Amino acid sequence: KQEVTQIPAALSVPEGENLVLNCSFTDSAIYNLQWFRQDPGKGLTSLLLIQSSQREQTSGRLNASLDKSSGRSTLYIAASQPGDSATYLCAVSPRGGGTSYGKLTFGQGTILTVHP
Amino acid sequence: NAGVTQTPKFRILKIGQSMTLQCTQDMNHNYMYWYRQDPGMGLKLIYYSVGAGITDKGEVPNGYNVSRSTTEDFPLRLELAAPSQTSVYFCASSYLGQGNSPLHFGNGTRLTVT
Repeated sequence: KQEVTQIPAALSVPEGENLVLNCSFTDSAIYNLQWFRQDPGKGLTSLLLIQSSQREQTSGRLNASLDKSSGRSTLYIAASQPGDSATYLCAVSPRGGGTSYGKLTFGQGTILTVHP
Repeated sequence: NAGVTQTPKFRILKIGQSMTLQCTQDMNHNYMYWYRQDPGMGLKLIYYSVGAGITDKGEVPNGYNVSRSTTEDFPLRLELAAPSQTSVYFCASSYLGQGNSPLHFGNGTRLTVT
């Protein structure tokens, strides 16, 4: 059974700092990995999606990497801002069709606080 | 463009009561999903649908039912509410299945069963 773990559970940094969030998964047979952002009282917003054949994806100040063989992904946030404060979740999609549709396995999230 | 809309936003139920959580999307997505999120935990898949008329169980389907009569709507039904169903429920949709395209989430329904 796939298990996804995110470390740290919470992180507090001063504005302007570069930071890394970690995501690890136990089964390397994944189809892809997504990083999401969740603001309090809101749904999840997809940030980056990395296919299993890719090593990284970038969007603005965000860079996500994927090392499938070691079961790890990182989300790098450059020059953090108070507006980046949110919970960040990663989720993996299993390889194979049929009954695997939609069965993303989520980590429990990292609560990020960026203080001015 | 509203995206994924969930109603209600909050609800308190007594044990044994029933209710339907509504979800509608205006993006013409075939794939729709219901997740629950418990405090400090990741999301768990309850049910999903790959198109109108087709639904299937996810990881935690017990105590819930779904239907998908149209592409736009995917309601979730709780028949006999139990305290263990206290959670935040999220509906999501995607253009492609199996996580091949980003999931779009609604803002959630916070349900308390007492």
